[in-house]
Amino acid sequence: EVQLVESGGGLVQPGGSLRLSCVASGFTFSNYAMSWVRQPPGKGLEWVSAISGRGDRTYYADSVKGRFTISRDTSKSTLYLQMNSLRAEDTAVYYCAKVIVASIWVPFDYWGQGTLVTVSS
Amino acid sequence: SYELTQPPSVSVSPGQTASITCSGDKLGDKFVCWYQQKPGQSPVLVIYQDNKRPSGIPERFSGSNSGNTATLTISGTQAIDEADYYCQAWDSSAVFGGGTKLTVL
Repeated sequence: EVQLVESGGGLVQPGGSLRLSCVASGFTFSNYAMSWVRQPPGKGLEWVSAISGRGDRTYYADSVKGRFTISRDTSKSTLYLQMNSLRAEDTAVYYCAKVIVASIWVPFDYWGQGTLVTVSS
Repeated sequence: SYELTQPPSVSVSPGQTASITCSGDKLGDKFVCWYQQKPGQSPVLVIYQDNKRPSGIPERFSGSNSGNTATLTISGTQAIDEADYYCQAWDSSAVFGGGTKLTVL
């Protein structure tokens, strides 16, 4: 059974940093690209970042480029999102998501339960 | 940047057919997928590659995509289908529509 379990969310002041983690199980982690998708409270979904299965290609939404860094550790089956220079508008539930086939720009067939990041003073 | 437009809300009576649209420039040239999200839950993929259903998704869910509009159709809508629905496509990156709240009343 595929499972994605996020952690690392919390309350952080504007300008601060946070690192999210997503532990994956139930599939061969290195075979699949992964993404982070966020959802501000009461609002819609926004794609944030993607990383290839081998970790050699990364992609970012314009809204986070230069501030967020996506990475993965195959030995730990874990996906990360390092978030720096956080802003109030980054407040959201952050989901990690697995793609349906071994490509990057394809649908997400599994999502984690999400972790809430709140940026506020 | 590429944009996908959905109606904020759609209402349907139980047993009737619900149609949720997703509009974008030359959307028919791209693959579209649809997610269902119920309150407090993570999104669930219900349609991918315009009209394919993942295993476990009921046959009453179907999709189409042509021209500038993709459509998610739910036939014989049930109360359990009440949820937010998001379309997704890909341009230079992944793009989501703004979401449509489906009310079954």
